[in-house]
Amino acid sequence: AQKITQTQPGMFVQEKEAVTLDCTYDTSDPSYGLFWYKQPSSGEMIFLIYQGSYDQQNATEGRYSLNFQKARKSANLVISASQLGDSAMYFCAMRELMDSNYQLIWGAGTKLIIKP
Amino acid sequence: ETGVTQTPRHLVMGMTNKKSLKCEQHLGHNAMYWYKQSAKKPLELMFVYSLEERVENNSVPSRFSPECPNSSHLFLHLHTLQPEDSALYLCASSQESGSETQYFGPGTRLLVL
Repeated sequence: AQKITQTQPGMFVQEKEAVTLDCTYDTSDPSYGLFWYKQPSSGEMIFLIYQGSYDQQNATEGRYSLNFQKARKSANLVISASQLGDSAMYFCAMRELMDSNYQLIWGAGTKLIIKP
Repeated sequence: ETGVTQTPRHLVMGMTNKKSLKCEQHLGHNAMYWYKQSAKKPLELMFVYSLEERVENNSVPSRFSPECPNSSHLFLHLHTLQPEDSALYLCASSQESGSETQYFGPGTRLLVL
């Protein structure tokens, strides 16, 4: 079974609009972390934002915020006032303890295209 | 140089060639990682090194051979690869293995003919 699910393979959004990228996860570990990364066409994976499972407040980082709904096991990324430079692949990942080591489990990604 | 660098950025090799990918991190981190990213597939963790010691080897074929001479450098030696090994190979580092945010290099795009 997939541990990280990103249901939107691709999205088109008008410039300056807000966009929400979906991510749901599955884990039985009470201590976990959730990450969002951005990958432009150049290939580099850029860290955007992190949410710990015990964090009481939703993480925010500039125009990025994470809508963390623990009971629903969702960790959606919200980008406010989208810009053309936001066009990229976006990956959700979960840090989970596996075989005594922490590993990152990755979703399949969402391709976001910002229209001018 | 800052962050994580990788060389070469692009590599084309035949199935009988031997080549090496290089990764260097300038962040003072103790853990380094190799990932493989194939088209339309999630990132696959290949190897994890913590303080120059390999702590994870995710059933990677022996034609991929990692080397970590110190905490700043990580190599991936390639020999007798197959066309299905064509992918983007990403290197990452973090303060400690597994529990911290990972920072990635720009990747090496590998094409095996």
